[in-house]
Amino acid sequence: DAKTTQPTSMDCAEGRAANLPCNHSTISGNEYVYWYRQIHSQGPQYIIHGLKNNETNEMASLIITEDRKSSTLILPHATLRDTAVYYCIVRGLTTDSWGKLQFGAGTQVVVTP
Amino acid sequence: DTAVSQTPKYLVTQMGNDKSIKCEQNLGHDTMYWYKQDSKKFLKIMFSYNNKELIINETVPNRFSPKSPDKAHLNLHINSLELGDSAVYFCASSQGPGGAGYGYTFGSGTRLTVV
Repeated sequence: DAKTTQPTSMDCAEGRAANLPCNHSTISGNEYVYWYRQIHSQGPQYIIHGLKNNETNEMASLIITEDRKSSTLILPHATLRDTAVYYCIVRGLTTDSWGKLQFGAGTQVVVTP
Repeated sequence: DTAVSQTPKYLVTQMGNDKSIKCEQNLGHDTMYWYKQDSKKFLKIMFSYNNKELIINETVPNRFSPKSPDKAHLNLHINSLELGDSAVYFCASSQGPGGAGYGYTFGSGTRLTVV
């Protein structure tokens, strides 16, 4: 699975949009981009995933560049409860990748009042 | 209703002891996993079972033995505990080993401390 690069940390004001970047320049055509987050002392939580097209759900939006070498997770109106470590993960769906979510260091997002 | 539940939440034990962590999911998923999060906060896959069959076994010491009595349960037994086993262990489940389209659901973790 391709590697990802994320900023170590970022701050966001409550009520503002939080834009979390992720670089995955070695992504291959059949690999998806997944986002998870881990709130302190809890298990990771699935947020969203996508292949080529932009995706939106009740939690966030995922914008993937046309060349798929990078993506941005958007939390439209950050709240204090969004303070967490956010993980960008690239993973294929072949049998070689089955089950193997490879977590990196992630981005520590702190939402401030 | 808790989707993926682990017991115990905290476990403090002495070196050399044998302990088990239990995991149950009520989501109807057929694939379950054990992940380990060490002191540096990195999450690493340890094992995965699909319909009670072991499909992933990463380079984990033989002292760690997973057991899946049915597809809703995946337990982790650890023999001869060592200081380095101290970590938070997360159980997870997904619909199918790829988890495509649904993501993984994680439990709240078991913090194991070996003294």
